[in-house]
Amino acid sequence: RKEVEQDPGPFNVPEGATVAFNCTYSNSASQSFFWYRQDCRKEPKLLMSVYSSGNEDGRFTAQLNRASQYISLLIRDSKLSDSATYLCVVRVGRDSSYKLIFGSGTRLLVRP
Amino acid sequence: NAGVTQTPKFQVLKTGQSMTLQCAQDMNHNSMYWYRQDPGMGLRLIYYSASEGTTDKGEVPNGYNVSRLNKREFSLRLESAAPSQTSVYFCASWDDRKTYNSPLHFGNGTRLTVT
Repeated sequence: RKEVEQDPGPFNVPEGATVAFNCTYSNSASQSFFWYRQDCRKEPKLLMSVYSSGNEDGRFTAQLNRASQYISLLIRDSKLSDSATYLCVVRVGRDSSYKLIFGSGTRLLVRP
Repeated sequence: NAGVTQTPKFQVLKTGQSMTLQCAQDMNHNSMYWYRQDPGMGLRLIYYSASEGTTDKGEVPNGYNVSRLNKREFSLRLESAAPSQTSVYFCASWDDRKTYNSPLHFGNGTRLTVT
């Protein structure tokens, strides 16, 4: 089983739609969680961190459910420019030796 | 600010050849990482280094070696390249002193083809 799993999609939605992605992780000792965005053939960029209480950044809302070991990303009022691959990232480790594990990504296509 | 500098950008190797991918960061980060990305696979961790002088295996270390030469530099070596190592390779560094809102800083990637 992969440490971090995501639905690969693609999610094909019209502009203005609300779309949600989930990501599950297997290591209950995972400490920190992030969503990254990756455009085609480019390096990933941090979209937002995921706080335990959930957090919002404009049209983006991230939630963490430790009991069920999943995180989610909600995008409201989708824009064409939101088309990208969204990567779930989990930090595991201890004693100052951390590794960041990526999910395989969920592809989002926003159509006019 | 240079950030993370990764070289080369493109490389074509023949099976059995060796090469070293170079990576350097100027942000004084302790942690550095090497990932590979294949279509539909996301980024898979090859090796990482939590600090100068230490390296650890990630998810897919076979066929690779790494060197953390100093705090700035973390190189990835393919001793005998195989077609299965055709991929895009990303080096990254991270400020592990911060828990949140500390992004991985990526290099631009190396597109490697092994024929």
